[in-house]
Amino acid sequence: EPEVTQTPSHQVTQMGQEVILRCVPISNHLYFYWYRQILGQKVEFLVSFYNNEISEKSEIFDDQFSVERPDGSNFTLKIRSTKLEDSAMYFCASSTGTLLSTDTQYFGPGTRLTVL
Amino acid sequence: GNSVTQMEGPVTLSEEAFLTINCTYTATGYPSLFWYVQYPGEGLQLLLKATKADDKGSNKGFEATYRKETTSFHLEKGSVQVSDSAVYFCALRSYGGSQGNLIFGKGTKLSVKP
Repeated sequence: EPEVTQTPSHQVTQMGQEVILRCVPISNHLYFYWYRQILGQKVEFLVSFYNNEISEKSEIFDDQFSVERPDGSNFTLKIRSTKLEDSAMYFCASSTGTLLSTDTQYFGPGTRLTVL
Repeated sequence: GNSVTQMEGPVTLSEEAFLTINCTYTATGYPSLFWYVQYPGEGLQLLLKATKADDKGSNKGFEATYRKETTSFHLEKGSVQVSDSAVYFCALRSYGGSQGNLIFGKGTKLSVKP
């Protein structure tokens, strides 16, 4: 069964450093998403991406964040200058986009980001 | 704004016990409702969903009914197994306007003992 994959599974970085989290969505999916979960808190939406541009973003997704689909398979989340409060589990998801209200989003296993 | 509230965990049950995890929501319009499950070391997996009032989603012995009058979507299973130990997330997705981001509850950790 096709699945969303994410690398690395765990990333440790120093505050102020740039990190890139990588995702490979399911191949025939058109919508891509990033969510995050700070330890002990809710899973929160960051951004959705369609047709090579951001379709929606949350208040969390400020200028420090960017997303890109550099080729036909990868979808990346970049954090330009990490802060301690960016430490979280980051989930990538994808969906077909056929009917957004009922469409199933398929999630990857997550990347745990630790900022020291 | 839209939000989801689910019961705090952790929940510890013996095998074959009855499970209920409560979930209530606040939303404008007519949201779709979802339960996702996260097994240890894995990503979020869709467990079941319901897209309109009175719909019942079901999968792997789990059920949840979309109750618009009580704005609830409680998850139930008649007889849990050790393999059901996981974190369960209730989520909603608004219809119209939004491009479809999910709004999650905090998650409820379930531990099933043999």
